[in-house]
Amino acid sequence: AQKITQTQPGMFVQEKEAVTLDCTYDTSDPSYGLFWYKQPSSGEMIFLIYQGSYDQQNATEGRYSLNFQKARKSANLVISASQLGDSAMYFCAMREGGFSFIFGKGTRLLVKP
Amino acid sequence: GAGVSQSPSNKVTEKGKDVELRCDPISGHTALYWYRQSLGQGLEFLIYFQGNSAPDKSGLPSDRFSAERTGGSVSTLTIQRTQQEDSAVYLCASSLAGLNNQPQHFGDGTRLSIL
Repeated sequence: AQKITQTQPGMFVQEKEAVTLDCTYDTSDPSYGLFWYKQPSSGEMIFLIYQGSYDQQNATEGRYSLNFQKARKSANLVISASQLGDSAMYFCAMREGGFSFIFGKGTRLLVKP
Repeated sequence: GAGVSQSPSNKVTEKGKDVELRCDPISGHTALYWYRQSLGQGLEFLIYFQGNSAPDKSGLPSDRFSAERTGGSVSTLTIQRTQQEDSAVYLCASSLAGLNNQPQHFGDGTRLSIL
């Protein structure tokens, strides 16, 4: 069974609007970390945001925020005020046990002018 | 530099040749990971190192693939008798180990093309 599920292979959003990218995860470990990465067409993997399993508040980093719903095991990425430069592949990942990283299959976001 | 360094950035070789890809992690990062990414696809996990040992080699696709890490630092991924299906971008990442709050830091990858 997949431990990280990203159900949206591709999404469109209008420039300046907000968009939510879905991520659900599966673990029985009470301690884990959740990460989002951005991969533009140039190929580099850029770390965006982190949420810890014990964090009480949702993580925010500039225009990025993470909608963390622990009981539902979801960690959706919200991008506010989308920009053309946000067009990229986005990967959700989970780290558990301090070592292994598990990535989802990714969501391709296209921002339309 | 302070980031993860991979070399070469591009490699074109003929089918059947051996190739060696190199990764120099961030200083102090004991965890090192190799991934493969085909065009437009997600990350395929290959192997990870903790120090010089590889607790998880489960992602290596065949016995033509091997990897080693020496001195707890530089790692090399070797592909023997390359096949066309080996064409992909090979990404290396490093991280502090033992802490779930530490992200992976990625290199820019090696784009491998098998003719």
